[in-house]
Amino acid sequence: AQSVTQLDSHVSVSEGTPVLLRCNYSSSYSPSLFWYVQHPNKGLQLLLKYTSAATLVKGINGFEAEFKKSETSFHLTKPSAHMSDAAEYFCVVSDRGNKLTFGTGTQLKVEL
Amino acid sequence: DAGVTQSPTHLIKTRGQHVTLRCSPISGHKSVSWYQQVLGQGPQFIFQYYEKEERGRGNFPDRFSARQFPNYSSELNVNALLLGDSALYLCASSLVGPSGHEQFFGPGTRLTVL
Repeated sequence: AQSVTQLDSHVSVSEGTPVLLRCNYSSSYSPSLFWYVQHPNKGLQLLLKYTSAATLVKGINGFEAEFKKSETSFHLTKPSAHMSDAAEYFCVVSDRGNKLTFGTGTQLKVEL
Repeated sequence: DAGVTQSPTHLIKTRGQHVTLRCSPISGHKSVSWYQQVLGQGPQFIFQYYEKEERGRGNFPDRFSARQFPNYSSELNVNALLLGDSALYLCASSLVGPSGHEQFFGPGTRLTVL
């Protein structure tokens, strides 16, 4: 069985400050992990993915995530938030069959 | 190249009716998956099809069914609609079935059951 836990349902930051969205996972296998973003009334867009290569993964729009097996974590970070980053973010784990299991989401709010 | 397309974009049905949702994958993609996203929650896996065969099924009742056609497009059917079936239905395609391959999502079909 696989699951993900997103530790914060809402995160609020000021523009220009760092972003940290936390995710812990559980998987019976060596997992593939993803972060997706969903802007209002738009589809899901892949930010980045971890598939057992480098543990520090760089994605689009300045986001990155670090896979820490000892902590079963895959936290998403960005050094400096932009207003356009306001959206819902989903941490996702994939099993060997490619079924995606989504977390409950973190709503990121960016304030001026 | 066109992305994943879904039709219709919006749909309103009444309880007890039947609905068919359609999905066209990215050209060359042979795997299609369906997800249900209820308002305020993350998407939940419904089905995966690869090479026209069902390769995975989520925890949904038998009222939900799907199929994949020779051109790799797919239909999701829901019978005897309930109010709780109101959701955004997302289709995703990927090149192959095995784990780790990126899934590309369509914009979804918003189903409202009255």
